[in-house]
Amino acid sequence: KAGVTQTPRYLIKTRGQQVTLSCSPISGHRSVSWYQQTPGQGLQFLFEYFSETQRNKGNFPGRFSGRQFSNSRSEMNVSTLELGDSALYLCASSRGQAGSYNSPLHFGNGTRLTVT
Amino acid sequence: ILNVEQSPQSLHVQEGDSTNFTCSFPSSNFYALHWYRWETAKSPEALFVMTLNGDEKKKGRISATLNTKEGYSYLYIKGSQPEDSATYLCAREDSWGKFQFGAGTQVVVTP
Repeated sequence: KAGVTQTPRYLIKTRGQQVTLSCSPISGHRSVSWYQQTPGQGLQFLFEYFSETQRNKGNFPGRFSGRQFSNSRSEMNVSTLELGDSALYLCASSRGQAGSYNSPLHFGNGTRLTVT
Repeated sequence: ILNVEQSPQSLHVQEGDSTNFTCSFPSSNFYALHWYRWETAKSPEALFVMTLNGDEKKKGRISATLNTKEGYSYLYIKGSQPEDSATYLCAREDSWGKFQFGAGTQVVVTP
């Protein structure tokens, strides 16, 4: 079974630009969530999609947005990039409807975004 | 407690020694507690998902316990090996399926 695939692996952008990251979940997984990791910080939750609907949202500005397609693939968009957006962005999928106890997250390898 | 907190931030262990570390979390609206292992250059890998107070899970030399009433979980590594070197993350899942991660405990096992 193929794992969670994130593309691209690395990105270099300049301030003010926008970026789109892609995540293909494990086949059969309907939940996709996105996390940001910066040095010294834990994984910060961005948002979660389930069956094309945003089910949960973290405390990030509106510049961060996402969507999920009918095949469960998800994209995350960051507009008007700032230097502080430089981070590792991880996507995770699960079978997971809320309350599905045995639904651990399955992570991709991440996209390393550098904003200059 | 509002956030998920892990302690210590890092620890160094001699090969063969046993160790343990803590995850503290808000007990309100709790649904499940997850543990993940994150090795360098890899993606985080699920170790355990625990839901009930008093739950204990074991996977090889690694085990975990859960106390939902007081809001903490312990992860134990018995007879540490160099391949146990990783960052161990805990995450609290609430009833809406939202995850809150701790900053992790970095474990370095030296031969």
